[in-house]
Amino acid sequence: EDKVVQSPLSLVVHEGDTVTLNCSYEVTNFRSLLWYKQEKKAPTFLFMLTSSGIEKKSGRLSSILDKKELFSILNITATQTGDSAVYLCVRHNDMRFGAGTRLTVKP
Amino acid sequence: KAGVTQTPRYLIKTRGQQVTLSCSPISGHRSVSWYQQTPGQGLQFLFEYFSETQRNKGNFPGRFSGRQFSNSRSEMNVSTLELGDSALYLCASSTGTAGSFLAFFGQGTRLTVV
Repeated sequence: EDKVVQSPLSLVVHEGDTVTLNCSYEVTNFRSLLWYKQEKKAPTFLFMLTSSGIEKKSGRLSSILDKKELFSILNITATQTGDSAVYLCVRHNDMRFGAGTRLTVKP
Repeated sequence: KAGVTQTPRYLIKTRGQQVTLSCSPISGHRSVSWYQQTPGQGLQFLFEYFSETQRNKGNFPGRFSGRQFSNSRSEMNVSTLELGDSALYLCASSTGTAGSFLAFFGQGTRLTVV
């Protein structure tokens, strides 16, 4: 079965820590991988990754894709309590979501 | 610029009934997609409509259907409700053109089936 697997499923850190979230996917004819942040209900878009090895960056968040190894990582540096959310990766081919990583940042 | 609007926000229905949810996309967006989110299954893709035609479909039974109107507003219908249909239903809109991505989600409709 084609899967999108995120790890860890849950993570608790303290403010200022750096975290790395993982997403592995199985797919043929890869299109792109998306990352979303879901705090309460509506997920908000973070990144779309199409090309391998090119880092996308937005403030303290960055993401990179490895098309050969079929995975992506999302990094958050100097975490803040406002980063607490569920982070979702999505295989764009069929909009299959991973289960998400629930990040809790403690003061 | 108004965001994606879903109505109603909350709904309680009885098993066996049917329900219709509505989604108004961002002005100018022609693609609307629907998702079901449950604690056990996570976010699952239901279907996508573009210019009044269903363009993609997830793996859900025929009880789940949708349609899109000429103004791009979309409705999702679930017939013969089951307890397991209790979920947060999200819609998302995009331009729908090649290379686009689903960037804008609505706040969702929380459906409870009793």
